[in-house]
Amino acid sequence: AQTVTQSQPEMSVQEAETVTLSCTYDTSESDYYLFWYKQPPSRQMILVIRQEAYKQQNATENRFSVNFQKAAKSFSLKISDSQLGDAAMYFCAYRSPQGGSEKLVFGKGTKLTVNP
Amino acid sequence: GAGVSQTPSNKVTEKGKYVELRCDPISGHTALYWYRQSLGQGPEFLIYFQGTGAADDSGLPNDRFFAVRPEGSVSTLKIQRTERGDSAVYLCASSSSGGWDTQYFGPGTRLTVL
Repeated sequence: AQTVTQSQPEMSVQEAETVTLSCTYDTSESDYYLFWYKQPPSRQMILVIRQEAYKQQNATENRFSVNFQKAAKSFSLKISDSQLGDAAMYFCAYRSPQGGSEKLVFGKGTKLTVNP
Repeated sequence: GAGVSQTPSNKVTEKGKYVELRCDPISGHTALYWYRQSLGQGPEFLIYFQGTGAADDSGLPNDRFFAVRPEGSVSTLKIQRTERGDSAVYLCASSSSGGWDTQYFGPGTRLTVL
């Protein structure tokens, strides 16, 4: 079974600075999908960014980018120019491409605090 | 358009009671998912519907948990003989057709079993 590990329970960053959240995963599959979700206090999970494992190019969405290291099974999230609204729980998630297995497997999350 | 909605927002019940949690997916989305999020944890998969049928129910913890989606839109998660360990936030998500499509989450129902 696939597992996702987020080793940083909490992180903090100064407004306008850059922060990197770590995620590692364990799988025997060669192709899969990886995601970062944000969960603010409202509880609603919001997709931040996603990456297909067969794509070597790291995904980027505005201030959010990933560092995908397939051999190391590492998928970190970099947030540039941090804003107060970025404060939330961040979850890394894995999804198998196999048909019928649509579930997301989540890590335990990292709580990000943004200091003004 | 409207996002995924869940009712009630909060539910408090007593041990042994029966509860129903409702999810209204985004209109037209054929895929629907239920997850459970315990305190301090990430969401854990419970069940996945494609249309009216449960395509994967491998995450349901035991036979006290059951979910239906009779008309392929609204889904209800049903928990019988609730236990204190069932206390958690229950999240629902939907996607256009499953697969690679983004899963859009609702705000969840916080269930507290006293």
